[in-house]
Amino acid sequence: KNEVEQSPQNLTAQEGEFITINCSYSVGISALHWLQQHPGGGIVSLFMLSSGKKKHGRLIATINIQEKHSSLHITASHPRDSAVYICAVKLGGGADGLTFGKGTHLIIQP
Amino acid sequence: DVKVTQSSRYLVKRTGEKVFLECVQDMDHENMFWYRQDPGLGLRLIYFSYDVKMKEKGDIPEGYSVSREKKERFSLILESASTNQTSMYLCASRKGLTDTQYFGPGTRLTVL
Repeated sequence: KNEVEQSPQNLTAQEGEFITINCSYSVGISALHWLQQHPGGGIVSLFMLSSGKKKHGRLIATINIQEKHSSLHITASHPRDSAVYICAVKLGGGADGLTFGKGTHLIIQP
Repeated sequence: DVKVTQSSRYLVKRTGEKVFLECVQDMDHENMFWYRQDPGLGLRLIYFSYDVKMKEKGDIPEGYSVSREKKERFSLILESASTNQTSMYLCASRKGLTDTQYFGPGTRLTVL
């Protein structure tokens, strides 16, 4: 069974700092997702990637398939980035759902 | 924009009651999912469906059943609610096998 490990579990930083959240997984995957969850519950998909790197605004996601590792970076962090960031993987090509990490709780202080 | 809606944001039920959680998506997605989210455990897959009337067990199906009579609607049923089913329930949908998954706002269920 695939395990998805995220680090750190909790992260508090000052506004403007460069943030890195890490995700590692134990078996081969077809895709990796980074999700954002704000207080209140709603989950938004930030990235889906199977190789290389993707960028959207101040967010950058990278994946190293050989090392089974992905990182989410936030540049010039802002208090509105405060949320739980969740890594999730899709195994194989079937119709099944995602396997999730436990999330990283990020707080950006002004 | 894809929209996934859930019938209730908050629900309080008593032990032994039958509970229905409804999920509707408006983008003709084939795949729909029910997850529960608990502190320290993250999200876990309960059931999923890849077509009308088709259903597959996820990682924690015990105590739950599902129904998919129409493509846009996926229902989660707690036949006899128990206190250990108090949780946040999230529905999601996805077009193809490896497409982005879209989540509903969640239903926070409390079983007393």
